[in-house]
Amino acid sequence: GQNIDQPTEMTATEGAIVQINCTYQTSGFNGLFWYQQHAGEAPTFLSYNVLDGLEEKGRFSSFLSRSKGYSYLLLKELQMKDSASYLCAVRDGGGATNKLIFGTGTLLAVQP
Amino acid sequence: DSGVTQTPKHLITATGQRVTLRCSPRSGDLSVYWYQQSLDQGLQFLIQYYNGEERAKGNILERFSAQQFPDLHSELNLSSLELGDSALYFCASSSDPGSNEQFFGPGTRLTVL
Repeated sequence: GQNIDQPTEMTATEGAIVQINCTYQTSGFNGLFWYQQHAGEAPTFLSYNVLDGLEEKGRFSSFLSRSKGYSYLLLKELQMKDSASYLCAVRDGGGATNKLIFGTGTLLAVQP
Repeated sequence: DSGVTQTPKHLITATGQRVTLRCSPRSGDLSVYWYQQSLDQGLQFLIQYYNGEERAKGNILERFSAQQFPDLHSELNLSSLELGDSALYFCASSSDPGSNEQFFGPGTRLTVL
């Protein structure tokens, strides 16, 4: 079966660091993605990992361990505008198939 | 603005009816994806098209169908609508079928009464 688990909600303080975890069990794996989605808006791409290790992009970093079926998204220097839902997704299949399986998302609330 | 357009923005209809949602991908993108997002199930992949051909299928109901036209726009047809079909329907596009980044449109909010 396909299963992607993330915490439902998290709260953090402006200026702090927060780590959002994601564990997955999928029949296929061809990359892990993180998307950000503000309420009522479209998801926007944040990061992509296909090999083990850390990918850094400004204030956001994403880590992958394929052997553990585990990823995290690290957000540094939190800003109020980072309050959003963060979606972990696994690409199932390769080549011309780009099927993304999404977790239910982690709603992050950044407080002053 | 991702460059992906979807119409209509909102749609209210009754059970048993049929609706068509339209999507225009970003200029130059050949691949189109449809997703359904409901409160209880999160974002669910429905179907992928590339240059007019179906490439991947998710848990799309038989009452739903889609196609991609020669001008690359896509339509998602939902028929015999049920209350549970009320959701946000997103279209996304990418430059090629295996691209790492999908660009999402603003979505169509469907309400079935």
